[in-house]
Amino acid sequence: DAGVTQSPTHLIKTRGQHVTLRCSPISGHKSVSWYQQVLGQGPQFIFQYYEKEERGRGNFPDRFSARQFPNYSSELNVNALLLGDSALYLCASSRFDSYEQYFGPGTRLTVT
Amino acid sequence: AQTVTQSQPEMSVQEAETVTLSCTYDTSESNYYLFWYKQPPSRQMILVIRQEAYKQQNATENRFSVNFQKAAKSFSLKISDSQLGDTAMYFCAFMKQQGGSEKLVFGKGTKLTVNP
Repeated sequence: DAGVTQSPTHLIKTRGQHVTLRCSPISGHKSVSWYQQVLGQGPQFIFQYYEKEERGRGNFPDRFSARQFPNYSSELNVNALLLGDSALYLCASSRFDSYEQYFGPGTRLTVT
Repeated sequence: AQTVTQSQPEMSVQEAETVTLSCTYDTSESNYYLFWYKQPPSRQMILVIRQEAYKQQNATENRFSVNFQKAAKSFSLKISDSQLGDTAMYFCAFMKQQGGSEKLVFGKGTKLTVNP
């Protein structure tokens, strides 16, 4: 079975622009979570979605938003990019009755 | 709020030897889950081992085992017979299912280097 996939692998944006990151969960997994990993730190929780509904939100500004589609894939959107948004963005999927989360390879975002 | 502390930023071990990575956490909850994740230089985060807080028996997965001390809020990872492929960042993580949300809280990580 394919693992969690994310696109794009990396991208470079300019301050003030917006970006959309995409994630496809493992087949059969209905929950998707997003994490931000700044260089040298552990990942920080941004959002969790299940059945297209937001189930959890971390301490991130409203510039960050997400959604989940009927096929359980998900998008993370970030508006008005700041230099501090440069990070590895990780997507993780899980069955909602399971506490195990499986991560994708991440999208490396660089804001210049 | 739950916090996870990994006090060893970097560690090294010789191939075939045993190494232990430390992790402590802070929570007032009684039922929760603990994990160790491995992140090689290729950056894919891989689940290594998990422990349910209500289970007294320490989890084991092949060469990986944990020492879970609930009262001390300690959750260390032991890697036996270290291999070059074990070189990676290791993250300790805590999860509490609450209000329909499952959020992982990570430590800052320990960089492990296995030397030939």
